[in-house]
Amino acid sequence: NAGVTQTPKFQVLKTGQSMTLQCAQDMNHEYMSWYRQDPGMGLRLIHYSVGAGITDQGEVPNGYNVSRSTTEDFPLRLLSAAPSQTSVYFCASSNSPGNGYTFGSGTRLTVV
Amino acid sequence: GQQLNQSPQSMFIQEGEDVSMNCTSSSIFNTWLWYKQDPGEGPVLLIALYKAGELTSNGRLTAQFGITRKDSFLNISASIPSDVGIYFCAGQPPPGNEKLTFGTGTRLTIIP
Repeated sequence: NAGVTQTPKFQVLKTGQSMTLQCAQDMNHEYMSWYRQDPGMGLRLIHYSVGAGITDQGEVPNGYNVSRSTTEDFPLRLLSAAPSQTSVYFCASSNSPGNGYTFGSGTRLTVV
Repeated sequence: GQQLNQSPQSMFIQEGEDVSMNCTSSSIFNTWLWYKQDPGEGPVLLIALYKAGELTSNGRLTAQFGITRKDSFLNISASIPSDVGIYFCAGQPPPGNEKLTFGTGTRLTIIP
């Protein structure tokens, strides 16, 4: 059982480039979320989804897009990378948020 | 958005000492969760709390859901080297909101 799988683990982008961070879960969880982690800021919610075809914005959505075409996958797209998007990104899934989320191991993104 | 104030930001202790940390909010939560993050990994759920006043243990860890529903506490007894990491609180607001709000984390370091 793989849990939540994130790819890539590391990525360096140039300012203005676009890319997609992949996230897949094999637990048939309805709820999925993307967080970014910055020093001293904790985990901040970017976007989340309560099921296939349904997404909503979190606390810091600007500069990011998501879609949820299947239960398993929840990709995060950076439209035009900026240095302020340098961070560690975590994808997480849950069958019920009150039971907690299962996190992937993260993608460390550097924008130069 | 809602803010979770977690304290202390960092702790330096000796092996065998007990540890206490807390999380406070300006608004009430229905659920409190405590996570631990090891270096290079995603957070892992330690304890979940669902009722005001609830006290729950997981081995040497004990967490409490504050009576006011605006705070939560985590205690670690007789710390060991593998307790090193960052501890996050997270709260789910009523009425069953899908979003989790995370605290800024407490970094625990054990001094040899």
